[in-house]
Order: sequence, then structure tokens, then C-alpha cells
Amino acid sequence: ETGVTQSPTHLIKTRGQQVTLRCSSQSGHNTVSWYQQALGQGPQFIFQYYREEENGRGNFPPRFSGLQFPNYSSELNVNALELDDSALYLCASSQDVGGEQFFGPGTRLTVL
Amino acid sequence: GQQVMQIPQYQHVQEGEDFTTYCNSSTTLSNIQWYKQRPGGHPVFLIQLVKSGEVKKQKRLTFQFGEAKKNSSLHITATQTTDVGTYFCAGTFQGAQKLVFGQGTRLTINP
Repeated sequence: ETGVTQSPTHLIKTRGQQVTLRCSSQSGHNTVSWYQQALGQGPQFIFQYYREEENGRGNFPPRFSGLQFPNYSSELNVNALELDDSALYLCASSQDVGGEQFFGPGTRLTVL
Repeated sequence: GQQVMQIPQYQHVQEGEDFTTYCNSSTTLSNIQWYKQRPGGHPVFLIQLVKSGEVKKQKRLTFQFGEAKKNSSLHITATQTTDVGTYFCAGTFQGAQKLVFGQGTRLTINP
């Protein structure tokens, strides 16, 4: 059984650029959630996808968008990057909405 | 807003001492989950509590969910160096899908 994987591991961008982060969910999981974790803080919920539809969103602006594909993998897109977007971005999959979250290793994004 | 407060922020103990972290919400939770994140790692699920007053044990770890489903605690008996990390509670509010994480309690241990 393959766990949750994320790519890339690290990324450096400059302000105003756009970024796409990718996540492959664990086999058998149909729900994917994305979180932003700033240094020393708890993960902050960005949004969740269930069977390819957005199923809940946190307090993030519209420049944070996402997709879920038929194989339940997912993308997080961030437009017009700002310095405060620098963080660890975590993807988590679960068998169903509200269930145990299996986290990937994260993508460390640095915005200069 | 829907927030989950967690205290303390940091805790340093001698190996063998006990450790407790507390989680509070002003609003009733549907359930609460606990995660552990090692330095440089990602959160790893420990347990989920759903019922009012529920108590669950995993070896030296004891998890409690308050009667009003507004607070929770994690207690570790006789800490070991392998317990080092940050412990997060994360709650789901009724009618909402998102998991709201507390700020975490960072546990360090003096061997």
C-alpha cells in the first residue's frame, strides 16, 4: 500500500509568480485535504476535495485553488505569490470525509 | 470564529516524568483527533474521539474527550525520548467539513 506522496519536496519562487503543488492520495482514499503550516504553527485548512468536488474551504483567498482528478490525486495552485505564502504545504488523504487524515511529507515553499 | 486553543505551547520534562496537553473550544465539537509531528516530519494520526466523556488509551498515552465535547486532553505517563515532538489536537465542528488544528504543544525531553 503506497502512502501519500507530494511533489516537489522544496520550491523557491518570487513574489507574483504562480505555483502548482501535487499530491497522490493513499490507495482507496477518495478525500484529499490541503493545509498550510507556517513555522511553529498548526496546519491551517485550505480546502478539501471529495470525489473531484470541493467540499469545504478555509479562510484563504481565491488565488488558492485546487483540483482533484478521477484517480483522486490532487493539485494545489497558488497565483500571485506573496511573501507570507512561504510555508510547508501538506496534503492529507482519508477514506471518507472527516476520517483519519494520512499526511504526505509536504512541500516546503519559499517565496522571495 | 471556530477555533481550537491548545496549551501549553511548550513543555520540557525530564525523561520518566508525565506530560499533559490540553485542548479547548468555545463551540461543541463533533469529534477531535490527535496528531504527533516529529521535528522535520509531518503530522501522524494518533487517535479520534467521538463520544462525550470518551477515554481511550494507547500504551502510555491516555486521551480524553470532555462531557460537553468542548475540551480534550492527552496525557503521557513516564515519558521516553521517543515521545519528543509536537502534539496537535484537531477538531471538527458540527456542520463543517474542515479539521481545525490547535497551535500544538512542543514536547522536549531531558534524558
